[in-house]
Amino acid sequence: QKEVEQNSGPLSVPEGAIASLNCTYSDRVSQSFFWYRQYSGKSPELIMSIYSNGDKEDGRFTAQLNKASQYVSLLIRDSQPSDSATYLCAVIKAAGNKLTFGGGTRVLVKP
Amino acid sequence: DTGVSQDPRHKITKRGQNVTFRCDPISEHNRLYWYRQTLGQGPEFLTYFQNEAQLEKSRLLSDRFSAERPKGSFSTLEIQRTEQGDSAMYLCASSLSISYNEQFFGPGTRLTVL
Repeated sequence: QKEVEQNSGPLSVPEGAIASLNCTYSDRVSQSFFWYRQYSGKSPELIMSIYSNGDKEDGRFTAQLNKASQYVSLLIRDSQPSDSATYLCAVIKAAGNKLTFGGGTRVLVKP
Repeated sequence: DTGVSQDPRHKITKRGQNVTFRCDPISEHNRLYWYRQTLGQGPEFLTYFQNEAQLEKSRLLSDRFSAERPKGSFSTLEIQRTEQGDSAMYLCASSLSISYNEQFFGPGTRLTVL
């Protein structure tokens, strides 16, 4: 079992719709959770971080964390063609420092 | 630009040659990380520095790989006797130890070993 798992996609979403991305992690003591956006050929860009159970909203993005279910999700509202990218879920374990990434979910927003 | 910078952005080398990459972190960040990413995969951790101390190394970091951060500012990653399997994007990230460890990535160095 991979430490961080994501559906590779592609997730095809019409422009203006909500894109819903999911991520599960195996280490119950993981404490910090991040979503990065990566355009083809570019480096990852941090878009959301979440540390406690519940929802965290930032603009069109909402991150949701459920530590009991070991699940973190990202919602992208009013999806735009510029949101087409790979979204990487990453976690940091307790007392650790390194990011452990999932394989990423490719999102395609169609006009 | 006050973000993480990396140099060179692209490197093509022949198998068996040595290569060195440089990373300049965000100026006030005391933590610096190296990751490697291959096509279709998420980045994988290689090593991490807090100030000038190298505090953790991955098993991925074979003895052909060495990293330094001599003055706690910029870092170098050297690969000796490169192999075709070393072809990847090498990513550097930095963070503040007093933060929740939000890590910000540089543009990466794409290495191609022929």
